[in-house]
Amino acid sequence: DAMVIQNPRYQVTQFGKPVTLSCSQTLNHNVMYWYQQKSSQAPKLLFHYYDKDFNNEADTPDNFQSRRPNTSFCFLDIRSPGLGDAAMYLCATSRGPTQTQYFGPGTRLLVL
Amino acid sequence: GIQVEQSPPDLILQEGANSTLRCNFSDSVNNLQWFHQNPWGQLINLFYIPSGTKQNGRLSATTVATERYSLLYISSSQTTDSGVYFCAVVSNDMRFGAGTRLTVKP
Repeated sequence: DAMVIQNPRYQVTQFGKPVTLSCSQTLNHNVMYWYQQKSSQAPKLLFHYYDKDFNNEADTPDNFQSRRPNTSFCFLDIRSPGLGDAAMYLCATSRGPTQTQYFGPGTRLLVL
Repeated sequence: GIQVEQSPPDLILQEGANSTLRCNFSDSVNNLQWFHQNPWGQLINLFYIPSGTKQNGRLSATTVATERYSLLYISSSQTTDSGVYFCAVVSNDMRFGAGTRLTVKP
């Protein structure tokens, strides 16, 4: 089945230690998104790639970076995680920017 | 930016009851989706419904774009329907409402 895959499902890192979360898709969609969801809150868009074009939300901290080396993969890099970055990180894809978004299962990040 | 409001914030039902969840948005949208977030955090697509009415089993949704609202109907609720229901709209980017937390009791 075509799908959005996120690894790992759970990630533990130390305060200040860089961490990378990964997302892959078999849907061949043009757009890939990263969302942050904190406990009891709605998902919040961090940034997205439309093909190779990177689009950053205005209030996304500089601590968060992203890479999309090819159509299938997209990475979220957190350069110096703080305790406040502990959250669920959700990856999504869509064929176009206004079309249906499909979400992966998420990576739950814990910062010690 | 566009504002998305969902009501009610919390809803408790007895199994078998029907319910209506509402989503209001402040501007015209290109897309509107309803999601169910299960206890493990997975966001499951329910409907892509920028306008009109759709049905899928016990669930149906209606969006009245000119009046800027959407409704999600759940009939004959089951305990497995429990979780958080999100409405999300796309104007420039996708914005989520705060969600409705549904608890269905046996």
